Amino acid sequence: QVQLQESGPGLMKPSQTLSLTCIVSGGSISRGGYYWSWIRQHPGKGLEWIGDIQYSGSTYYNPSLQSRVSISVDTSKNQLSLKLGSVTAADTAVYYCARSAVTPRGAFDYWGQGTLVTVSS
Amino acid sequence: DIVMTQSPDSLAVSLGERATINCKSSQSVLYSSNNENYLAWYQQKPGQPPKLLIYWASTRESGVPDRFSGSGSGTDFTLTISSLQAEDVAVYYCQQYYNTPLTFGGGTKVEIK
Repeated sequence: QVQLQESGPGLMKPSQTLSLTCIVSGGSISRGGYYWSWIRQHPGKGLEWIGDIQYSGSTYYNPSLQSRVSISVDTSKNQLSLKLGSVTAADTAVYYCARSAVTPRGAFDYWGQGTLVTVSS
Repeated sequence: DIVMTQSPDSLAVSLGERATINCKSSQSVLYSSNNENYLAWYQQKPGQPPKLLIYWASTRESGVPDRFSGSGSGTDFTLTISSLQAEDVAVYYCQQYYNTPLTFGGGTKVEIK
């Protein structure tokens, strides 16, 4: 059973860089065949896909965030990471990591529990 | 970007009655090479991540009760809960994975009448 677990700072100040980690257990990222995504949900709102990465390091980003976002993978630690620069209050959200198949591209079948990030001065 | 529009925003249904949620995409999510609709439905309960219910528009995820069904093709899709149970109270989202950026509908909140 694949499990994903996000971790992050919880509270941060405007203009800082957000760094989140998602540890994957029950399956190896380096096995391939999957996209590993970051998705966020603003309080009481809908879902926004941030971007994804394959084990090879190939990435797709949402154009709305592309200038500020970077997703990376560390296959030795079986984890993926998200960096989001110059955060503002509008980046306050629950951040999820999730998995989907590559060929063909699939739906998100496994999700982490999410980690709340609050941006406040 | 493909815009996903759900309706209604919320609905209240009596226990045992049918609940129907609609999702419309701004362009077709039917991929001609494999004749699959790249459309999924998720259920989200408070404090929990979304849970995959339906993929390829009509394929039920393993373990999902058969009272949940998905239908539609191209740009118009429906999620039906044939007999609403108390545990089905949640927000439901559709999502297209036809192309990036991947996008979700705004959600439909289902409550008990």
